[in-house]
Amino acid sequence: DAGVIQSPRHEVTEMGQEVTLRCKPISGHDYLFWYRQTMMRGLELLIYFNNNVPIDDSGMPEDRFSAKMPNASFSTLKIQPSEPRDSAVYFCASSSHWGGSYEQYFGPGTRLTVT
Amino acid sequence: QQQVKQSPQSLIVQKGGIPIINCAYENTAFDYFPWYQQFPGKGPALLIAIRPDVSEKKEGRFTISFNKSAKQFSLHIMDSQPGDSATYFCAASKGDTGRRALTFGSGTRLQVQP
Repeated sequence: DAGVIQSPRHEVTEMGQEVTLRCKPISGHDYLFWYRQTMMRGLELLIYFNNNVPIDDSGMPEDRFSAKMPNASFSTLKIQPSEPRDSAVYFCASSSHWGGSYEQYFGPGTRLTVT
Repeated sequence: QQQVKQSPQSLIVQKGGIPIINCAYENTAFDYFPWYQQFPGKGPALLIAIRPDVSEKKEGRFTISFNKSAKQFSLHIMDSQPGDSATYFCAASKGDTGRRALTFGSGTRLQVQP
C-alpha cells in the first residue's frame, strides 16, 4: 500500500482565496482524521470521520473551514476564504478499528502558506 | 485546554545517552497512550504505545514508563543514536467506539550529538 496520500504537498495562495486540500486514506481503513500543525499550537485535531460520517468537528476553528468525505477513499478539507493565520501544515491520517490497534497512519502533509 | 502536558520542549544528548521525555495528562478517561516520532518534512509515525494496565513497555531501545496514580508517562531512549534526532510527541485518547481522537502533547525536539 502507498500509505496515506495527500495533495498538494505545498500550496501558496493569497488571502481571500479558496483552498482545497485532498486526502486518500489507506485502503480498508474506516477512520480518517484531519490535523493542523503550527509552531504555536502544535498538532491539533480538526475533524474526524468514521465510515465516511463526521464524528467530531469540534476542532474546526471557524465556519471558513469545512471537510467532506464523499466515499471511503477520498476526503477534502476546504478553507474559504483563506487568511494568513491559516498558514500551517495540514495532515491527514487514517486508522482501522480491526485487530484492536489504534495506530493512526499519517500522510506527508500539505504545507499551506496564505499571503 | 491543554489536556496533555509534555516536557522538555527541547533536549540535547550525546550519542549513547538516555534522553527522557515526560508527559502528564488530566483526563482519567484516557486509556491509550502512544508516542509518535516526526522527522522534518514528514508526518508523525507511531513509535510505541501503552495501555494503563501495565507500568512499562519496551520495544527495542524505546521504553514507556506509566504511572497511573500520578497520571504521568514517559519515554526513555536507550543508547541514543544521531538517527534518533527528531521531534517526539506523546498523545492520549479514549478508546471506546467513536472516540479515537488523539490529543497530542506540545512535542519535544531531540538532538543526539555524535
